Amino acid sequence: NAGVTQTPKFQVLKTGQSMTLQCAQDMNHEYMSWYRQDPGMGLRLIHYSVGAGITDQGEVPNGYNVSRSTTEDFPLRLLSAAPSQTSVYFCASSSITGRSMKNTEAFFGQGTRLTVV
Amino acid sequence: AQSVSQHNHHVILSEAASLELGCNYSYGGTVNLFWYVQYPGQHLQLLLKYFSGDPLVKGIKGFEAEFIKSKFSFNLRKPSVQWSDTAEYFCAVLTGGGNKLTFGTGTQLKVEL
Repeated sequence: NAGVTQTPKFQVLKTGQSMTLQCAQDMNHEYMSWYRQDPGMGLRLIHYSVGAGITDQGEVPNGYNVSRSTTEDFPLRLLSAAPSQTSVYFCASSSITGRSMKNTEAFFGQGTRLTVV
Repeated sequence: AQSVSQHNHHVILSEAASLELGCNYSYGGTVNLFWYVQYPGQHLQLLLKYFSGDPLVKGIKGFEAEFIKSKFSFNLRKPSVQWSDTAEYFCAVLTGGGNKLTFGTGTQLKVEL
């Protein structure tokens, strides 16, 4: 099983450049989310989606856009990269009941290490 | 706002020592609680989870955790650690009406031979 697949694994951007981090899952999970991981800060939720066509903001959404046109894919877009966005990004997915993740677990991708210079 | 606190940021143990990592959360409702582990250079993997029932839950690789509702705690334990347990450990709580997973800041565990 592929699970949650993220591409690319590594990326270096110049300030002001744009890019899209890809995330795909093959578990038919309704819920998908993006986190960033920074030293000493744990994982912080950027955006999440409870199903195709539905997205919402997490804890640190500024500078990031998402869309959810299919159940499988949940890309994260950086429109104008800044050095503060240097981080490791993780995509996660889980099943839900209604719009709740209760009594389920999240599955994580391998991460994308992004450096903005 | 809901929060998750992990008080031990760095822990160094010798092999065979016992481990207890603290996790406290601030959320008054029904909770789902998790411990995830991240081995160097890898993604997060689920160690164990608590949804309901027996407050003592057992996970993979000999880890267990106890949910104490009155203390808002979900501490992770292992009786005898191994060098291969060197990793970062994250406590997480499902919040936000059931669609936001809030993580603690993590505990870096180093096990020395």
